[in-house]
Amino acid sequence: AQSVTQLDSHVSVSEGTPVLLRCNYSSSYSPSLFWYVQHPNKGLQLLLKYTSAATLVKGINGFEAEFKKSETSFHLTKPSAHMSDAAEYFCVVSSGGYNKLIFGAGTRLAVHP
Amino acid sequence: DAGVTQSPTHLIKTRGQQVTLRCSPKSGHDTVSWYQQALGQGPQFIFQYYEEEERQRGNFPDRFSGHQFPNYSSELNVNALLLGDSALYLCASSRSYGYTFGSGTRLTVV
Repeated sequence: AQSVTQLDSHVSVSEGTPVLLRCNYSSSYSPSLFWYVQHPNKGLQLLLKYTSAATLVKGINGFEAEFKKSETSFHLTKPSAHMSDAAEYFCVVSSGGYNKLIFGAGTRLAVHP
Repeated sequence: DAGVTQSPTHLIKTRGQQVTLRCSPKSGHDTVSWYQQALGQGPQFIFQYYEEEERQRGNFPDRFSGHQFPNYSSELNVNALLLGDSALYLCASSRSYGYTFGSGTRLTVV
């Protein structure tokens, strides 16, 4: 069975400092992995996706993630946090032939001035 | 270009009642999936519809049912509502790959 574990439920950073949101996955075969962001009272927006091409994936708004098979990790990073990055972030794995999405529990990112 | 549209945005129901939520997929998308997001949790897969048939189902009871229409729009029905059904219900549409999510319907059961 496939699953994802987000290692931090809350992360707090200062504006302008780096962001690291950690995610480990479990998969019996080469997975497709995603990061989604959810702002309050908004739907889910795709930040980036990994589908077995380059292991370093660049997404929108300056975010990127690195797929590390040996560590079964897919951590999300951003060099410099902005106030508008404050939101809930979900690490997601795609499961099965019909690409059902399995979400992690989420990491709430707070950005302080 | 309209994305995924869900209606209503908010809904309050009494325990034991039935509810219907609606979803219009993004133009060009033929597959609709429904997710339940309880407060403070990640979304959980309910089921997926393709060609008007339920193609895949998550671990939800039969009280949860759905339908897809010829124009690809979809409904989610929940019978005999429980307090625990209170959640944000998200619809996602896709075509072969790549999901687009709607903003969701916030259901409160009292």
